[in-house]
Amino acid sequence: DTVLTQSPALAVSPGERVTISCRASESVSTRMHWYQQKPGQQPKLLIYGASNLESGVPARFSGSGSGTDFTLTIDPVEANDTATYFCQQSWNDPNTFGAGTKLELK
Amino acid sequence: EVQLQQSGAELVKPGASVKLSCKTSGYTFSNYYMSWLKQMPGQNIEWIGNIYGGNGGTGYNQKFKGKATLTVDKSSSTAYMDLSSLTSEDSAVYFCATAIRDWFAYWGQGTLVTVSS
Repeated sequence: DTVLTQSPALAVSPGERVTISCRASESVSTRMHWYQQKPGQQPKLLIYGASNLESGVPARFSGSGSGTDFTLTIDPVEANDTATYFCQQSWNDPNTFGAGTKLELK
Repeated sequence: EVQLQQSGAELVKPGASVKLSCKTSGYTFSNYYMSWLKQMPGQNIEWIGNIYGGNGGTGYNQKFKGKATLTVDKSSSTAYMDLSSLTSEDSAVYFCATAIRDWFAYWGQGTLVTVSS
């Protein structure tokens, strides 16, 4: 299975720019998607196809990358962005998710 | 508005089976795939498999073959997942999610399954 590696945690101050990385163990083309999950809630789609913003998601969120290296950028970070962010690849079977990056606000 | 409403929490004994449901509204159920996913506390999300709302065709993650069985009832726009021979390793939150192409655009609220004697 394709392993997606994310850094476990980040802490930033409101108003700053943050990049969350996701590295795949093999190429996933641009079939990488990003989700936000807050405690006790279901994940919410933010970005699909590496760089496409889901409808209704603030333009502060953006995604980039292809092949094995991907990033989710939040600029500027707001207080309610405190959450865990997961990447998911759908190029290789089965779909797999990263372990998540927990974003905390200072 | 798209909604996926999952059944309530389950407490089940080891070795037993459980059937979870996911009732949908706000979109044409038969035109999309429904996936089921597992999230253990503090751990990765795992994709269990999917089922096409139109004809019930299924695809499974090899890891969950024999553990999960996916079905649909088109008449009520509801998807189901049977989990069998439950052990403590099956204790988790299970989500249903509607796939738009190959990403999960809509999610249910999750069902907590606890396996304990």
